[in-house]
Formats: sequence, C-alpha cells, structure tokens
Amino acid sequence: KQEVTQIPAALSVPEGENLVLNCSFTDSAIYNLQWFRQDPGKGLTSLLLIQSSQREQTSGRLNASLDKSSGRSTLYIAASQPGDSATYLCAVAPSNTGKLIFGQGTTLQVKP
Amino acid sequence: GAGVSQSPSNKVTEKGKDVELRCDPISGHTALYWYRQRLGQGLEFLIYFQGNSAPDKSGLPSDRFSAERTGESVSTLTIQRTQQEDSAVYLCASNRGSQPQHFGDGTRLSIL
Repeated sequence: KQEVTQIPAALSVPEGENLVLNCSFTDSAIYNLQWFRQDPGKGLTSLLLIQSSQREQTSGRLNASLDKSSGRSTLYIAASQPGDSATYLCAVAPSNTGKLIFGQGTTLQVKP
Repeated sequence: GAGVSQSPSNKVTEKGKDVELRCDPISGHTALYWYRQRLGQGLEFLIYFQGNSAPDKSGLPSDRFSAERTGESVSTLTIQRTQQEDSAVYLCASNRGSQPQHFGDGTRLSIL
C-alpha cells in the first residue's frame, strides 16, 4: 500500500530564506508526483507536476525534484516571502487514473 | 465560472440526516474526483469518475456514501444517515488527460 510522508510537519523561517520541504513515498511505481499549496479554508492549488520519467520541474522560485528509486521528492523555495505561508502538500499518482495519495502536509510560516 | 465550484460551502446537519454535496467541474474536464479531509488528517481519496462512469470507488468508506455524475458535468456526493465521524471538508477536483487536478474550495460538513 502506497504511503506518503512529509517532513517537517511545520516550519517557521524568516523572510528571504531558502528552504526545502521533503516528501517520501513507499512504492516507487508511480505515474507522477505533484506538489500543491493549500491556504486556510481554501482548496488546493497545483504548484508543480513531475512525471515519473522526469527528475525535476521549475516554476519561478519553486523547484521540485523527484528520485523515484529512493522514493523521495523535495520542494525547494527560493527567497521565501510572507505570501508563501501556507500548507504544502505532496501527492503521488499510483497510475494514470489520476487518483492521488496525499501526505499530511508541511505548514510553512514565513515571518516578515 | 473558470474554476471548480462546490456547494454548499458549509453544511451543518444533525446526526442521522442525509446530505447531498454538489460539484461543478471545469468545462471540458472529463475526470472528476472526490476527496475527504478530516481535521488533522491528510486528504483521502473517495471516488473517481471518467465521464459518467466510476471506475474507482475504492475510497468510499461505507455503503452510506454514494456518488453520481451526469455526463461530463455536475457530480453529487450523497451521505445517508450521517454520523459524527463524517464531519470533514469534502473536496472535489477535475482534470483532463494527464494535466494537474484543479480543486474546488470544498464543502465543510459538520454533523451535530
């Protein structure tokens, strides 16, 4: 059974720091991996999607890497801003049906 | 609208009552998903629709839960004889092909 774990559960950093959020999964047979952002009381916003054949994806200040063999992904946020404060969720798709299995998230607070 | 729309945004009901939650996906999105997010827990997959058929219902927690979808349009999630453990935020998402899933803001369900 695929399980997704995110470490740390919570993180507080001063504005301007670079930071890394970690995601691990138990079964390397995945179709893709996605990172989402969730603001309080809101749904999820897709940040980056990495196909199983890819190693990384970049969007602006965000970079996500994927190492399928070790069952790990990282989300790197450069030059963090208070507006980055949110919960970040990692999810894996076991197959092309699109069903996602989520980690419990990392709640990030960026202090001005 | 441009995004996934869910209604109602909040629902409070008494234990034992039936509830119906609605999801309007993005136009043209063939796939639709329901997830549940209980307090302090990660998102749990409930059911996946491709068109109006449901090839994966594996996440429905009991036979009190059912869902249907009309064509490639609106979906309703019905919970019969609600229990307190059904209290959660119910999130709907839609996508097309291998594109990222787009989420609605969810329905916050509270069972008294």
